[in-house]
Amino acid sequence: EAQVTQNPRYLITVTGKKLTVTCSQNMNHEYMSWYRQDPGLGLRQIYYSMNVEVTDKGDVPEGYKVSRKEKRNFPLILESPSPNQTSLYFCASSHSGTGDGANVLTFGAGSRLTVL
Amino acid sequence: GIQVEQSPPDLILQEGANSTLRCNFSDSVNNLQWFHQNPWGQLINLFYIPSGTKQNGRLSATTVATERYSLLYISSSQTTDSGVYFCAVDLHTSGSRLTFGEGTQLTVNP
Repeated sequence: EAQVTQNPRYLITVTGKKLTVTCSQNMNHEYMSWYRQDPGLGLRQIYYSMNVEVTDKGDVPEGYKVSRKEKRNFPLILESPSPNQTSLYFCASSHSGTGDGANVLTFGAGSRLTVL
Repeated sequence: GIQVEQSPPDLILQEGANSTLRCNFSDSVNNLQWFHQNPWGQLINLFYIPSGTKQNGRLSATTVATERYSLLYISSSQTTDSGVYFCAVDLHTSGSRLTFGEGTQLTVNP
C-alpha cells in the first residue's frame, strides 16, 4: 500500500531532550516536507526537500533540523525541544509531473508531540 | 508570502443539506488542493485543482484562477463529511511549498 509512515505517533518529552520524528514513504516521491498544525493557525511548513541532499527552510524552521540522505526518508530533528514546539506534526510527500497523482500531497497520519 | 483565506470558518448542517466552501488567495497560483481532515486527524486529498472544475461523487470543486478563488461543493451531506476542510496553494506546480488556509470546520448532524 502506498503510504507515508511517521513515528512516533504520540510522544511526551521534556524540555531540552533531543528527539527525532521519522518519516518514510514508499512511493519513490522526490518531494517531502514537514508541517506543524496548531489551533487557529492551520498547517505551516517547517522544512521541505526537493530530492536527496536538497533541503530548504519553510515558514517556521526555527528549532528544527532535517536531513535527506535517502529518497524515502526525511526525519525531523528537534535538538533541544521547548514547550512552544508542542504541536501536531505531519510529514508529506509528492512527485512532480503531469500524470495521475502528480503534484498531489500524500500525508502521514501525524505525530502528536508534547514538550513539558 | 501568499495569503489564503477560507470561509466560513465554521459550518453546521443537517444531514442531506448542501454547502459551499470558499477559498480566496492573494496571488497567482499553479497548484491548489483541497483536503479533508477527519475527526481522527487524518488529512486526505480531495482535489488537485489549479484551474477548472472537477467532480468526485457528491463533491465537486471549481477554481477560477484569474479571480483568485476556489469553491468546494458538498451535496447531500452525510455525518461522515464532518471535519475540517483545508485549501492549500503554491506558486509552483510541484506543490512543494503549499500554503494552507485556516480551514472550515464542518459539522453534519444526523
